[in-house]
Amino acid sequence: AQSVTQPDIHITVSEGASLELRCNYSYGATPYLFWYVQSPGQGLQLLLKYFSGDTLVQGIKGFEAEFKRSQSSFNLRKPSVHWSDAAEYFCAVGAVDDYKLSFGAGTTVTVRA
Amino acid sequence: EAGVTQFPSHSVIEKGQTVTLRCDPISGHDNLYWYRRVMGKEIKFLLHFVKESKQDESGMPNNRFLAERTGGTYSTLKVQPAELEDSGVYFCASSQEGRIPKRDYRYEQYFGPGTRLTVT
Repeated sequence: AQSVTQPDIHITVSEGASLELRCNYSYGATPYLFWYVQSPGQGLQLLLKYFSGDTLVQGIKGFEAEFKRSQSSFNLRKPSVHWSDAAEYFCAVGAVDDYKLSFGAGTTVTVRA
Repeated sequence: EAGVTQFPSHSVIEKGQTVTLRCDPISGHDNLYWYRRVMGKEIKFLLHFVKESKQDESGMPNNRFLAERTGGTYSTLKVQPAELEDSGVYFCASSQEGRIPKRDYRYEQYFGPGTRLTVT
């Protein structure tokens, strides 16, 4: 079975600074990978996805993520955060032909002025 | 396009009572999923419908939980009788059928805002 680890429970970053959220997965084959964001009072919104091909994927809101097979990682990055990026971020993995997603525990991002 | 909606947004019930949660998926989405997040834990899969059929219910914790999707549209998740450990946020998600090279729509799940269930 697949699993996901998000090592950072909480990250504080200054507005305008760069952000990187870590995600490591465990799965025997090439997984399908996702990042979701949950803003306060909202549902989970899909930021970006990786199925195959180019290992650097672009998402919405200026986010990108890089799949590194050798490190079993799929880290999320943003060059310059905005106060509206304060939210909880979830990494998720899906196995081939098994449509349920396995989520990490989430990383809460606080943005300070 | 309307997103996934869930009702109620919050429910507080006593141990032993029954609660029914409702999810309306995005119109045209054949796949419907239920997930749950217990306080401070990961979001965990409960079950997956394709139209009105249960495709995978491996995540259902026990037989106190009953999910239905009559007519392949909205779904309900009933908890009867509720226990304290059932407290958490219940998310519903939906996705389209189909795939193209390098993309499988079934994995692109759109989530609702969740129902926060508190059992006292």
